[in-house]
Amino acid sequence: AQSVTQLGSHVSVSEGALVLLRCNYSSSVPPYLFWYVQYPNQGLQLLLKYTSAATLVKGINGFEAEFKKSETSFHLTKPSAHMSDAAEYFCAVSDLSGNQGGKLIFGQGTELSVKP
Amino acid sequence: SAVISQKPSRDICQRGTSLTIQCQVDSQVTMMFWYRQQPGQSLTLIATANQGSEATYESGFVIDKFPISRPNLTFSTLTVSNMSPEDSSIYLCSVAPPREAGRAFFGQGTRLTVV
Repeated sequence: AQSVTQLGSHVSVSEGALVLLRCNYSSSVPPYLFWYVQYPNQGLQLLLKYTSAATLVKGINGFEAEFKKSETSFHLTKPSAHMSDAAEYFCAVSDLSGNQGGKLIFGQGTELSVKP
Repeated sequence: SAVISQKPSRDICQRGTSLTIQCQVDSQVTMMFWYRQQPGQSLTLIATANQGSEATYESGFVIDKFPISRPNLTFSTLTVSNMSPEDSSIYLCSVAPPREAGRAFFGQGTRLTVV
């Protein structure tokens, strides 16, 4: 069975600083991994996804994530934080067992705060 | 891609009543998923809804409390029955079109407050 663990329920950075949000996964099969962002009072928006192609994945808004099989990690980074990046970020793995493609297992979420 | 319309966007309900949430997709999909996001928490899958068969519920969720309908390939409803304040959550509908490699699309969610 797949699972996802996000390290740190809350991360605070200064504007212009590096953003690093950590995600580790457990999967018995090659995983599909995703990062979603949820702005206050809004739905979920896909930032980026890994589907067994390039290990370094670039997403929207300057975010990227690197799939490291040896570390079972899929950490999200952005070189320079912007105030508009303040939101909740969720790492998720797709449950591909049986015919349940599209069923996602989410991490606990990390709230990102950006200080001026 | 897929565009999902979810209604209502929010509601305040009395305990003991029921609320039905509607989810409409702009394309035909085999499976639709219903998630719950309790305040300050992550998303938890309630059930998977297949057209033409009964929904499959995750551990901790039962059909009597969360009955689901799936009358066709573009529409589903989730009912939250006999509500209590503990049911106050955001409920989200999701689909994963076959060509999207497992990527899920989400509706805007229904923010439910039970008083």
